[in-house]
Amino acid sequence: AQSVTQLGSHVSVSEGALVLLRCNYSSSVPPYLFWYVQYPNQGLQLLLKYTTGATLVKGINGFEAEFKKSETSFHLTKPSAHMSDAAEYFCAVGGGGFKTIFGAGTRLFVKA
Amino acid sequence: SQTIHQWPATLVQPVGSPLSLECTVEGTSNPNLYWYRQAAGRGLQLLFYSVGIGQISSEVPQNLSASRPQDRQFILSSKKLLLSDSGFYLCARNTGRDEKLFFGSGTQLSVL
Repeated sequence: AQSVTQLGSHVSVSEGALVLLRCNYSSSVPPYLFWYVQYPNQGLQLLLKYTTGATLVKGINGFEAEFKKSETSFHLTKPSAHMSDAAEYFCAVGGGGFKTIFGAGTRLFVKA
Repeated sequence: SQTIHQWPATLVQPVGSPLSLECTVEGTSNPNLYWYRQAAGRGLQLLFYSVGIGQISSEVPQNLSASRPQDRQFILSSKKLLLSDSGFYLCARNTGRDEKLFFGSGTQLSVL
């Protein structure tokens, strides 16, 4: 079975500050890991994914995430937050079949 | 292009009424198709997935059902809606277990 835990349902940062959104996963098979972003009243868009290979994954809009097997983590970071980054972010795990399991989401607020 | 069409965008239905949400995809054949529900503060819950025509896997027992009458068509239905069926319904597709999910724009369902 697979599961995802996102620490913090809400995160608030100032514009220009570091963004850190935490994700821990559980998987009995090698996981495929994803981060998605959702803007209000829209579907989800992929930010980045990890399947195999390099553990530091770079995505769109300056985001990146590092797969740490020993910590079962896949935290999302961005060095400098922009107002347009305000959205809800979902971590997800797949690889255990056809299903992709999502975390509960973290809403990011960016203060001017 | 690989597009997912979902309609309607917004739906208000009385308790006990039937439901039919349709999702169609373009630009790919034999996709894996998914229905997710997003309730306030609860992340994305996988409801059904389908790996082929007539093949439906149910993840959560409830009064909803799904059908896949054609390769690129996925329908979510209910005979009698409950208040708890309110939420944001998202259709998604991918072509492999390690591939990202493409999401439709969603249907906001309010059951009153």
